[in-house]
Amino acid sequence: DIVMTQSPDSLAVSLGERATINCKSSQSVLYSSNNKNYLAWYQQKPGQPPKLLIDWASTRQSGVPDRFSGGGSGADFTLTISSLQAEDVAVYYCQQYYGIPLTFGGGTKVEIK
Amino acid sequence: QVQLVQSGAEVKKPGASVMVSCKASGYTFTRYDINWVRQATGQGLEWMGWMNPNSGNTGYAQKFQGRVTMTRNTSIRTAYMELSGLTSEDTAVYYCARIEAYDGAIPVAYQYGVDVWGQGTTVTVSS
Repeated sequence: DIVMTQSPDSLAVSLGERATINCKSSQSVLYSSNNKNYLAWYQQKPGQPPKLLIDWASTRQSGVPDRFSGGGSGADFTLTISSLQAEDVAVYYCQQYYGIPLTFGGGTKVEIK
Repeated sequence: QVQLVQSGAEVKKPGASVMVSCKASGYTFTRYDINWVRQATGQGLEWMGWMNPNSGNTGYAQKFQGRVTMTRNTSIRTAYMELSGLTSEDTAVYYCARIEAYDGAIPVAYQYGVDVWGQGTTVTVSS
């Protein structure tokens, strides 16, 4: 199984400041022949199901604000919120869909400082 | 619009079974796998398995092998997840989740992430 490890577990950021979340996979989720990373990021607010923000490691879904960006390749990835807004308070998860079983990181809780 | 609507909350006794349904609308049901993911209170997301509504093929996480069964009724566009031998450790919110089915040349599970989730079904196991 591909183990996904997120850091930090939580972070508190001032409004308008940058938040960066890290995600490492225990093996590469890059398929070299097409240079695609099979890595998604989700946002989950209390009482709601997760919402897909980014897949292919860096492709934002339609309607997701451009302050959210995904980066990295292979086994090391980041989710950056460039200017934190109050509505971004949530738990963020990375997930690999390279192999079965699908696996998620443990989550990072983002709060306002 | 595209949505997955799940059945209501359940309370079960230890040792019992629970079946959660997930009704799809707004898209071609057979084009997308239904995955099941659960989340205990205050915990992370745990993948349970997948089902292809077209073929009925399934794949389960090793942890749930022998206890979980995923099925579907294509005539009513509904997927089901049944979990048996319940213990208090199974108390969680259970989500169905849609991922576009993939059976291409690239040896990966899927081409995309989960783009639609059900609203969740709370299953409480208590004596």
